[in-house]
Amino acid sequence: ETGVTQSPTHLIKTRGQQVTLRCSSQSGHNTVSWYQQALGQGPQFIFQYYREEENGRGNFPPRFSGLQFPNYSSELNVNALELDDSALYLCASSLVDQETQYFGPGTRLLVL
Amino acid sequence: DQQVKQNSPSLSVQEGRISILNCDYTNSMFDYFLWYKKYPAEGPTFLISISSIKDKNEDGRFTVFLNKSAKHLSLHIVPSQPGDSAVYFCAAPIYGQNFVFGPGTRLSVLP
Repeated sequence: ETGVTQSPTHLIKTRGQQVTLRCSSQSGHNTVSWYQQALGQGPQFIFQYYREEENGRGNFPPRFSGLQFPNYSSELNVNALELDDSALYLCASSLVDQETQYFGPGTRLLVL
Repeated sequence: DQQVKQNSPSLSVQEGRISILNCDYTNSMFDYFLWYKKYPAEGPTFLISISSIKDKNEDGRFTVFLNKSAKHLSLHIVPSQPGDSAVYFCAAPIYGQNFVFGPGTRLSVLP
């Protein structure tokens, strides 16, 4: 059974650029959630995708957007990057009726 | 507004002793809580959970206690082992399956 994988592991961008982060969910999981973890803080919920549609969103601006594909993999897109977007971005997968989420190792984004 | 609080950023414990990690919450609507453990360069991994209909849940060396009237929960690890050294997050579901996390407590178990 393959766990949750994320790519890339590290990324450096400059302010104003756009970034796409990728996530492959654990085998059989149909729900993907994205979290942002700033340094010294706990993960903060960005949004969740189920059956290719957004299924809940946290307090993040519209420049954070996502996609889920038929194979349940997912992308997180961030436009007009700001310095405060520097963080670890975590993807988690689960079954829609299951409360436990399984996290990937994260993508560390640095915005200069 | 931080709905889940972990007021101790770090904790050091001697191997073999008990580790107690604390978590407080403000939202009385929370009815389920989870603890996640995170090692460096890895994602958080689920450790143990508790429903609000219980006041204790045990899994091997790990026990979580819930005090609903005080809006407080704690994770006990006994005996503590060096491999338990990690950051521990307390979390509660919000927006359905998704969670609000506390800021974490870094546990160091000293040999």
